[in-house]
Amino acid sequence: EAQVTQNPRYLITVTGKKLTVTCSQNMNHEYMSWYRQDPGLGLRQIYYSMNVEVTDKGDVPEGYKVSRKEKRNFPLILESPSPNQTSLYFCASSPIPSGGPHNEQFFGPGTRLTVL
Amino acid sequence: AQTVTQSQPEMSVQEAETVTLSCTYDTSESDYYLFWYKQPPSRQMILVIRQEAYKQQNATENRFSVNFQKAAKSFSLKISDSQLGDAAMYFCAYIVTNFGNEKLTFGTGTRLTIIP
Repeated sequence: EAQVTQNPRYLITVTGKKLTVTCSQNMNHEYMSWYRQDPGLGLRQIYYSMNVEVTDKGDVPEGYKVSRKEKRNFPLILESPSPNQTSLYFCASSPIPSGGPHNEQFFGPGTRLTVL
Repeated sequence: AQTVTQSQPEMSVQEAETVTLSCTYDTSESDYYLFWYKQPPSRQMILVIRQEAYKQQNATENRFSVNFQKAAKSFSLKISDSQLGDAAMYFCAYIVTNFGNEKLTFGTGTRLTIIP
């Protein structure tokens, strides 16, 4: 089954404790991206990757890191989480270009992160 | 700045009736795609319908259809014969096809309630 998986689905942590949210896709997509969803703000892009070893900042990259060592994986790293990073996080993947008639961005199930 | 505006934070409709969710967007690009995503309580992001900006014909998917007004930069979603399973948060989004960052720009969402 074609899918994007994220782990963990739920995470409660404390300020300053490094954490990683994993994202993996099995569709051989070039493009992967992380979004965060906050009430009243919709989804905003954190980082994206056009292919292996090619990553770049989105609209809200502060406090996050990513890596793309393999095509299928795109982990999101919070080196020193803070309470303002409490949010719902989505990973997405797509072929390039993703807006074409037969392409779309596939979303993972989301990770609910709470930083105390 | 490129933006998407959903002016109705909440909407409700009687089961089996029709409801229209509004969306306006602002982009200086001429080539782009528009989307409506549904987010039920499970939090999964589900693509409901897409529209290519170069197509004048409005997209339709079963009970879901759009009214795309390119000059007005308006992209509303009509749900006919509303069902209980349609209850969800609905996000309007677009993507610019420039073979660069395949970023989806989202609105803030409209929460749709279905009244039995």
